[in-house]
Amino acid sequence: DVKVTQSSRYLVKRTGEKVFLECVQDMDHENMFWYRQDPGLGLRLIYFSYDVKMKEKGDIPEGYSVSREKKERFSLILESASTNQTSMYLCASRGTSSGPYEQYFGPGTRLTVT
Amino acid sequence: AQSVAQPEDQVNVAEGNPLTVKCTYSVSGNPYLFWYVQYPNRGLQFLLKYITGDNLVKGSYGFEAEFNKSQTSFHLKKPSALVSDSALYFCAVRDNRGSYIPTFGRGTSLIVHP
Repeated sequence: DVKVTQSSRYLVKRTGEKVFLECVQDMDHENMFWYRQDPGLGLRLIYFSYDVKMKEKGDIPEGYSVSREKKERFSLILESASTNQTSMYLCASRGTSSGPYEQYFGPGTRLTVT
Repeated sequence: AQSVAQPEDQVNVAEGNPLTVKCTYSVSGNPYLFWYVQYPNRGLQFLLKYITGDNLVKGSYGFEAEFNKSQTSFHLKKPSALVSDSALYFCAVRDNRGSYIPTFGRGTSLIVHP
């Protein structure tokens, strides 16, 4: 079974703090994703990585950056947290870019910025 | 461009009755279609996918989905609903010739009443 783990289930941070969200997958997947989920808005893609050190902006990259130094780990960084970044953050992985592969999701990190 | 619509924010059904969660899509080429389920405070779990071939796809937990090319739909169905099926359901689409990034619907909350 594919396992995608996220470093925290719940996180509370103050405005202006630098926040790191970590995601690790154990299936040697090439692709990894970061989404945020908000009620009524569904899943919105923040960043996508199709391989180590490679990244692409998603629909809402502003205020976020990412790092993928190793294949199994994809980090989301909030450079200076703001209250409008309070949300559920979901990480996902997928085998490769091509082909009809489904995504595997982590349990999510519920981030509150006060 | 690709898009997906889930026209119902919420679906209510009595336990034991059949259920349908609707999804329509738009792609330039041929679609890869996916259904995911999300239980409260959890990540998304893959249910089933359509790639090609038989229009009726069977998935996990007794769910199935019917691909209808002429109506550009991929509705999720189950013959007999369980209270434990209550969750948030997401449809996703990917164009098999275009973007490597799937597009998700906004989600449909399924509530199964005892």
